[in-house]
Amino acid sequence: NAGVTQTPKFRVLKTGQSMTLLCAQDMNHEYMYWYRQDPGMGLRLIHYSVGEGTTAKGEVPDGYNVSRLKKQNFLLGLESAAPSQTSVYFCASSYTAGDYEQYFGPGTRLTVT
Amino acid sequence: LAKTTQPISMDSYEGQEVNITCSHNNIATNDYITWYQQFPSQGPRFIIQGYKTKVTNEVASLFIPADRKSSTLSLPRVSLSDTAVYYCLVGGLYNFNKFYFGSGTKLNVKP
Repeated sequence: NAGVTQTPKFRVLKTGQSMTLLCAQDMNHEYMYWYRQDPGMGLRLIHYSVGEGTTAKGEVPDGYNVSRLKKQNFLLGLESAAPSQTSVYFCASSYTAGDYEQYFGPGTRLTVT
Repeated sequence: LAKTTQPISMDSYEGQEVNITCSHNNIATNDYITWYQQFPSQGPRFIIQGYKTKVTNEVASLFIPADRKSSTLSLPRVSLSDTAVYYCLVGGLYNFNKFYFGSGTKLNVKP
């Protein structure tokens, strides 16, 4: 039981490049989330999904897109990376909407130069 | 959206009990209080959740007064491995998308 895994762990992009971050969970959770964490700050919600085929915007969605084609996977895409998107990205999942226990992945450290 | 206020940092020594207080003056009737722990280079980990009075689990206790405008996370007999950032979150049922992590409290446990 791996829990929540994220791919890749590290990535360096040049401004304007695109990439996709993959999040996978093996706990059969309905809800999945993408957060970003900037140095010395808390986490901010980018997008979330309440089930396969559904996505919704969080607090800071601009510059990102997401897809949830399979229940176990949640993809975060950057179409044209900017230096302001340099951050650590965390994926999380939870069983239900009323379940405050979110399970987090190990994070992806992204640097945009 | 009920935001929270926590101390930026706290110091403690091994074996002591640590109490971290969180202020949430605008908490709504249906809001729950949840605490997470985050170690460097790791994702946050759920510690405890409560609505009122006292909740205890195997790692911590959560004290919530009657007016619910604050809460206190209590860590008994801390060790060096409890050095981490602790986040207090306030949110309502089915309002998970409005969770606000804030900057948290950096707990430094000394030998």
